[in-house]
Amino acid sequence: DAGVIQSPRHEVTEMGQEVTLRCKPISGHDYLFWYRQTMMRGLELLIYFNNNVPIDDSGMPEDRFSAKMPNASFSTLKIQPSEPRDSAVYFCASRPAAAGNTIYFGEGSWLTVV
Amino acid sequence: QKEVEQDPGPLSVPEGAIVSLNCTYSNSAFQYFMWYRQYSRKGPELLMYTYSSGNKEDGRFTAQVDKSSKYISLFIRDSQPSDSATYLCAIRGNDYKLSFGAGTTVTVRA
Repeated sequence: DAGVIQSPRHEVTEMGQEVTLRCKPISGHDYLFWYRQTMMRGLELLIYFNNNVPIDDSGMPEDRFSAKMPNASFSTLKIQPSEPRDSAVYFCASRPAAAGNTIYFGEGSWLTVV
Repeated sequence: QKEVEQDPGPLSVPEGAIVSLNCTYSNSAFQYFMWYRQYSRKGPELLMYTYSSGNKEDGRFTAQVDKSSKYISLFIRDSQPSDSATYLCAIRGNDYKLSFGAGTTVTVRA
C-alpha cells in the first residue's frame, strides 16, 4: 500500500501567489482530512470530507483557503492569495469508514511563503 | 481554552528510562483517546488508542485514561533511542473530528 500521497513536498512561494496542495488518499478510504501544523498552534483540522462531500470546514481560517475533492482519489487545498502567516506543514490524512480512530497521514507539504 | 492541553517539553532522558507524557482535556463528551507518534519530517502515526478509563498495554507502551480527572497519560518503559519523536495526544467524540495536543518532543540519549 502506497499510503497517503501528497505533493508538492516542499514549496516556497512569494506572498500573493496562489498555492495548490494535492493529496491522493489511500484507496478505499471514505474520509479525507486536511490538517495544518505549526509550532505555535500545533496540529489543526482545517476541513474533512466523507465520500467526497465536505462535512466540516469550520477550521478553514478564512476565505483565502478552499478545498475540493472531485473524486475519491484526489483532493486539493488551495490558498489564494498566500500570506507569510500561511507558512506551515499541511497534512492530508484518510481513513476507512470502519476505523474511527486510525487515520493515516501523508508526509506533509512544507509551505513557506516569503 | 484549548480542548486538549499538552506540555510541549522538550523531554530528554537516558536510554532505559521511563518516559511519562500527559494531557488534560476539557470536554467530558470526549470518549476516545489516542496517542500518535511523529518522527521528524514525517506525518503522525497512530501508536495506541483506548475508549475507557484504566490502562492499556502494548509492549513497552502503556496508555492510561482517567475520565473523572480528564487526564490521559502515556508511559514508555525501557526507552530506546528509536523512541525519540514527538508524541501527540488526540481525543474525539462521536463526530470523528480529532483534537490534538501540542505534542511533546522526546529525545532518548544512548
